[in-house]
Amino acid sequence: DGGITQSPKYLFRKEGQNVTLSCEQNLNHDAMYWYRQDPGQGLRLIYYSQIVNDFQKGDIAEGYSVSREKKESFPLTVTSAQKNPTAFYLCASSIVLGGAKNSPLHFGNGTRLTVT
Amino acid sequence: AQSVTQLDSHVSVSEGTPVLLRCNYSSSYSPSLFWYVQHPNKGLQLLLKYTSAATLVKGINGFEAEFKKSETSFHLTKPSAHMSDAAEYFCVVRLRTSGTYKYIFGTGTRLKVLA
Repeated sequence: DGGITQSPKYLFRKEGQNVTLSCEQNLNHDAMYWYRQDPGQGLRLIYYSQIVNDFQKGDIAEGYSVSREKKESFPLTVTSAQKNPTAFYLCASSIVLGGAKNSPLHFGNGTRLTVT
Repeated sequence: AQSVTQLDSHVSVSEGTPVLLRCNYSSSYSPSLFWYVQHPNKGLQLLLKYTSAATLVKGINGFEAEFKKSETSFHLTKPSAHMSDAAEYFCVVRLRTSGTYKYIFGTGTRLKVLA
């Protein structure tokens, strides 16, 4: 079955360390996204990519970085510059940027990052 | 500004009674609208979508939603709640802005189902 795989499910890091979250999709989707979820705030867009080797900042990109070297993979690095990194991170994909009308966002199961 | 508003942050219903989760959007044209469900520590699962075809949209697990342009609403309903429906629900609007498409998420409604 096609889908999005995020790993690991839980991640613990010490303050000041960079950490990379993995996101892999086998849906053959062009567009991929990273969202951050905090209680009561819905989802906020960190970065998105519409094609390989291209990506754009979302609404809260400060302290994060991404790469898109392969169509299937869109890893997110949470750097030590991110002031409040503890959150639930969700990766998503769509057929094209913004999705075709009948193709919504597909989500992975998320990674819960805790930084102490 | 174009946005989506979920009017209730928490809703409690008894098992077997109807569910109503409210969503209003603002847009200068007819957008695509979606409802997603999220169980604890899981990703978001698509319940249903409106893409300018029929205004009454049926989704999975007995949920449905009606697009009302005059009221700019897309409320989610279910005739009879089940314990397994307890989760967080997100209304999402897909808009074209500055030459590209964006997904705008509501802040979510947490549904509690009482036995």
